[in-house]
Amino acid sequence: AQSVTQPDIHITVSEGASLELRCNYSYGATPYLFWYVQSPGQGLQLLLKYFSGDTLVQGIKGFEAEFKRSQSSFNLRKPSVHWSDAAEYFCAVGAGDDYKLSFGAGTTVTVRA
Amino acid sequence: GAVVSQHPSRVICKSGTSVKIECRSLDFQATTMFWYRQFPKQSLMLMATSNEGSKATYEQGVEKDKFLINHASLTLSTLTVTSAHPEDSSFYICSASVGGASKNIQYFGAGTRLSVL
Repeated sequence: AQSVTQPDIHITVSEGASLELRCNYSYGATPYLFWYVQSPGQGLQLLLKYFSGDTLVQGIKGFEAEFKRSQSSFNLRKPSVHWSDAAEYFCAVGAGDDYKLSFGAGTTVTVRA
Repeated sequence: GAVVSQHPSRVICKSGTSVKIECRSLDFQATTMFWYRQFPKQSLMLMATSNEGSKATYEQGVEKDKFLINHASLTLSTLTVTSAHPEDSSFYICSASVGGASKNIQYFGAGTRLSVL
């Protein structure tokens, strides 16, 4: 079965600074990878996804992620963080035909002025 | 596109009563819907997979008689928490799945905060 690790529980970043959130997955074949963002008390919003092809994927809100097979990673980046980016970020991996997703534990991002 | 509506957003009920939560895909047909439970400051825990016209598949440890799932149409799935107790208080989130096996994406509802008194 697939699994996801998000090593950073909490990251604090200054507004305007760059942000990188780490995600490592475990799966025998090429997984389907996702990043979701959750604001307090809300559901999850899809930021971006990787299925195949170009390993650098662009998402909404200025986010991008890079799939590195050799490192089993799918790290999320944003060049310049805005205060509205403060939220919980989840990396997820899907595999197989049952469409299930396995989620990481999440990373809380705090943005300071 | 790909909007999932979940209702109600918040519900408070007395212990022993049943609560129904609806999950609708507004602009697409979803053959598969998922129900998750999320505890404070934790990740999402998959409770069950719901396929239109068939019985839901529950994850290990989830009581199927406690959490009744009905997926009557391609746009609607419901979760009924039967005889709710305080330990059932939680944040419940649904998702609807679109796309084939190689490009499947889950879109999430806004969640339902259940408080059982």
